Amino acid sequence: QQKVQQSPESLTVSEGAMASLNCTFSDRSSDNFRWYRQHSGKGLEVLVSIFSDGEKEEGSFTAHLNRASLHVFLHIREPQPSDSALYLCAVSHNAGAKLTFGGGTRLTVRP
Amino acid sequence: GPKVLQIPSHQIIDMGQMVTLNCDPVSNHLYFYWYKQILGQQMEFLVNFYNGKVMEKSKLFKDQFSVERPDGSYFTLKIQPTALEDSAVYFCASSLGGSSYEQYFGPGTRLTVL
Repeated sequence: QQKVQQSPESLTVSEGAMASLNCTFSDRSSDNFRWYRQHSGKGLEVLVSIFSDGEKEEGSFTAHLNRASLHVFLHIREPQPSDSALYLCAVSHNAGAKLTFGGGTRLTVRP
Repeated sequence: GPKVLQIPSHQIIDMGQMVTLNCDPVSNHLYFYWYKQILGQQMEFLVNFYNGKVMEKSKLFKDQFSVERPDGSYFTLKIQPTALEDSAVYFCASSLGGSSYEQYFGPGTRLTVL
């Protein structure tokens, strides 16, 4: 059964400093990897999706997938206080659409 | 981006009662999902639904749970009867296609079972 874990549980950075979040998964046959953001009391906002090894950039968000090491990273360039939120990693298979989520990293960006 | 709506935002009911959670998915989407998030825990998949049928469900989708989308109206999750452990935030999502398509999430319905 797929296990998805995220680290760190919480992260505080200063405005403008790069933030790096880590996600590990257990099933090597996973094909689809997504990063979502959840502001308090709100739904999930998709940030970036990646389907093959390497990097994928969407605005200030870059996902980096290394399937061999079972890791997918999210880098946030020049974060603002408004980027303070819970960041969730989600993994799925091409054979099925269900997302398996990690526990999240709570990011705080200090002005 | 595309918006998914959920009604109500909060629901408080007594254990044993029936509850229906409503989801208004993105208009041209064909796949629909429910996820459950207990306070302080990970978001977990409950069920997905396509073409009038449940495609996949997790072990959290107990016999007391059912889903339907009659005639293209709301996609609903019904729990009958409710139990204390059903207290959670339930998120609905929809997507245009299967796994390689983005799932768009609603804001959630917070269900409290007393």
